Amino acid sequence: KNQVEQSPQSLIILEGKNCTLQCNYTVSPFSNLRWYKQDTGRGPVSLTIMTFSENTKSNGRYTATLDADTKQSSLHITASQLSDSASYICVVSAMDSSYKLIFGSGTRLLVRP
Amino acid sequence: SAVISQKPSRDICQRGTSLTIQCQVDSQVTMMFWYRQQPGQSLTLIATANQGSEATYESGFVIDKFPISRPNLTFSTLTVSNMSPEDSSIYLCGCLRFGGVDTQYFGPGTRLTVL
Repeated sequence: KNQVEQSPQSLIILEGKNCTLQCNYTVSPFSNLRWYKQDTGRGPVSLTIMTFSENTKSNGRYTATLDADTKQSSLHITASQLSDSASYICVVSAMDSSYKLIFGSGTRLLVRP
Repeated sequence: SAVISQKPSRDICQRGTSLTIQCQVDSQVTMMFWYRQQPGQSLTLIATANQGSEATYESGFVIDKFPISRPNLTFSTLTVSNMSPEDSSIYLCGCLRFGGVDTQYFGPGTRLTVL
């Protein structure tokens, strides 16, 4: 069964600190993996998207990694800001149905001053 | 990218009534979707809205409960029919434009509360 699991479920860090969110998936055949940021009361916004051949992708202070062999991904946030407080969702699509996304349950991040 | 707007942004409805949610995309897109997001949970796909034909529903969702229209390439509606408190949720519209590495875009969501 295609699944995406994220950890931790929630995380609290101090402003300025770094953090890393984890994503494990069992989707096959793998097409691509995306990280989305969802602010409270808003729709998810794409941060990064990686295909099988990519193992790292950056978007400002966000850096995603992908290990297709172990089926793991991480999202690293550098020098966190209060505006980083949001849910971060790992989303994977399969090759045979690239538009049907398999969503992780998300990591809820709270950045405190 | 694609800019998606939804109406209404939120609503409080009585049990047994129906609500129609509108989704407008700023440019033509290949595919449009409707999702539900329960509080504290991630998104669940309800159906794919097909232009000019019946929507394709996921397991657990039926047309009588969630009728969907897509009259053109930029607009779709989702109706939540005969509502009950269990339908209280956030409903999001999504779209996909093929080309390169496909990225799905999401609307801001409609927060529905059923009393």
